[in-house]
Amino acid sequence: DVKVTQSSRYLVKRTGEKVFLECVQDMDHENMFWYRQDPGLGLRLIYFSYDVKMKEKGDIPEGYSVSREKKERFSLILESASTNQTSMYLCASSLNRGPGGTEAFFGQGTRLTVV
Amino acid sequence: KQEVTQIPAALSVPEGENLVLNCSFTDSAIYNLQWFRQDPGKGLTSLLLIQSSQREQTSGRLNASLDKSSGRSTLYIAASQPGDSATYLCAVYGDSSYKLIFGSGTRLLVRP
Repeated sequence: DVKVTQSSRYLVKRTGEKVFLECVQDMDHENMFWYRQDPGLGLRLIYFSYDVKMKEKGDIPEGYSVSREKKERFSLILESASTNQTSMYLCASSLNRGPGGTEAFFGQGTRLTVV
Repeated sequence: KQEVTQIPAALSVPEGENLVLNCSFTDSAIYNLQWFRQDPGKGLTSLLLIQSSQREQTSGRLNASLDKSSGRSTLYIAASQPGDSATYLCAVYGDSSYKLIFGSGTRLLVRP
């Protein structure tokens, strides 16, 4: 079974802190994604990566950065946490397009509260 | 720009009923469509993936269909159970994009 693991289920951070959210997948997937999910706004893509050291901005990249130094690990960084970044953060991974398809698998989510 | 809509936003049914959840998308140039389940406070669990060349996929009591030309997909749940209570999301993968575009979900409650 594909496993996508996020480092924390719950985090509480203070305004202005630098926050790292870690995601690891064990299926050698090329693509990795970070989404945030908010009531009434649904899932919104923050950043994605289709290869090691490659990254692309999603729909709401402001205030975030990412790092992908190894294929299995994709980190989301909040440079200076703000209260409007309080949200559920979801990591996902998938294979590149090909005969295997592009089924996406998600981690269990990190509920981040910025106080 | 691709938009994905799910109707209804919420649904409450008695146990044992067969039900259909709807998903529509505005751009038919999709690579695949995926249905997910989300329990409160949890991540998304993949239920079914339909490639653009397929018409339907089945897994147990779940059957998903895809009609690309009309921009619609349905998720059929047979003999619903209280354990099926969750939010169901559909998402499409564009033909020229790496992004999964999500609908806002249907919140399902199956009453015992």
